[in-house]
Order: sequence, then structure tokens, then C-alpha cells
Amino acid sequence: DGGITQSPKYLFRKEGQNVTLSCEQNLNHDAMYWYRQDPGQGLRLIYYSQIVNDFQKGDIAEGYSVSREKKESFPLTVTSAQKNPTAFYLCASMSTDTQYFGPGTRLTVL
Amino acid sequence: SQQGEEDPQALSIQEGENATMNCSYKTSINNLQWYRQNSGRGLVHLILIRSNEREKHSGRLRVTLDTSKKSSSLLITASRAADTASYFCATRGADGLTFGKGTHLIIQP
Repeated sequence: DGGITQSPKYLFRKEGQNVTLSCEQNLNHDAMYWYRQDPGQGLRLIYYSQIVNDFQKGDIAEGYSVSREKKESFPLTVTSAQKNPTAFYLCASMSTDTQYFGPGTRLTVL
Repeated sequence: SQQGEEDPQALSIQEGENATMNCSYKTSINNLQWYRQNSGRGLVHLILIRSNEREKHSGRLRVTLDTSKKSSSLLITASRAADTASYFCATRGADGLTFGKGTHLIIQP
């Protein structure tokens, strides 16, 4: 059963805490992406990685960090420096031209 | 920065009618894609049209591309309740895809 998994589906965090969102893919894709989506809005690119051990900042990287130690995994850490972290987070991998998305993680800061 | 801009922002039609949504973009593209997002879910790829193509069909979907006007349209024929979703266009750049803000389509039974 191929695809992209994200966990958890819902995440609640207290202010001042760091949290890590998981993204795993078994599609053997080199490129992976993290997006943030706010209500009624499009997707904004946070970070992307085109190959293992390499990643680049997207449009809104401040307050976030990533790692890419394995091809299958691209976790996103939302740090306490992110001022408004409540949002829906989407992970994707890319084959040639098409992106394949995970089901998303909804993060709420209490 | 957002490359694509969908129009209208929201669209409500009766089941069985056709739905048309448009996308305009700013710079040259290699291809343009349309994705669907059901509420609270990830995006699903619908169709890709390359810059040297003018029209493409996939089931009840028809996509057109006018590179001279930097615009594309997505037509969904014979709409169904299950077509209720947000639809996004995306353009391919060096770093991946850039998405618009989407058109929210509601199909009334």
C-alpha cells in the first residue's frame, strides 16, 4: 500500500513548546515538501528537500526546522519561535511533475 | 509568492450542471496542474497539461491552456455532490510547484 503518511492527525501544543510532525513516504521519491495551509487559503511552502541530507527554505521557513536523514522521512519541527503555528500542515513528495500529498496534520496551539 | 490565481473564489451550482473555474499565472511555465482538496484532507492530483498542449480531457474533466493569455480553465461536466471540494491550480517551477488560493466548489443536491 504505497503513499504518504503523516502523524498525528491532530496535535495540540502549549505555547512555548516545540513539536515534531512526522511525514513518511514509500514511493521512492527523492523530493519532499512541507506546506502550511490557513483557513480559506492556498498552500505556502515551508521547506523542501530534493535529496537526502539536503533541504532548502521555502517562503515561510522562520520558526520551523526540518531534517532529511533518510529518503523515506522528512519530519518538520515547529519551534516556539513560530509566532502563529495554529494551521493545517501538509507534506508531499514529488515524482517528475506531480506531487502526492499526505492526509495532513492539524496543529492547534492552546 | 503565489504564481497561480483561481477565479472565482467560490462557486455554488446545482447537481448535474457544469462547473468552470479559471486560473491565471504570471511567468512562463513548463506545465500547469489542477488538484482537488476535500475538506480537511490532503490534495489529490487531477490532471496535468503541458505548455505545448491546448486542451486535455480526463473523464468528466476538461482543461484548457492559453499560454498567450497565461490562463487555464477547468471544466467539470455533469457535476455530482462528491465534486464538492476546493480546486487548486499549480505551476511547475525550479523548486517544485506553486499553488493558487483555490476555488471552493459547492454542488447543491
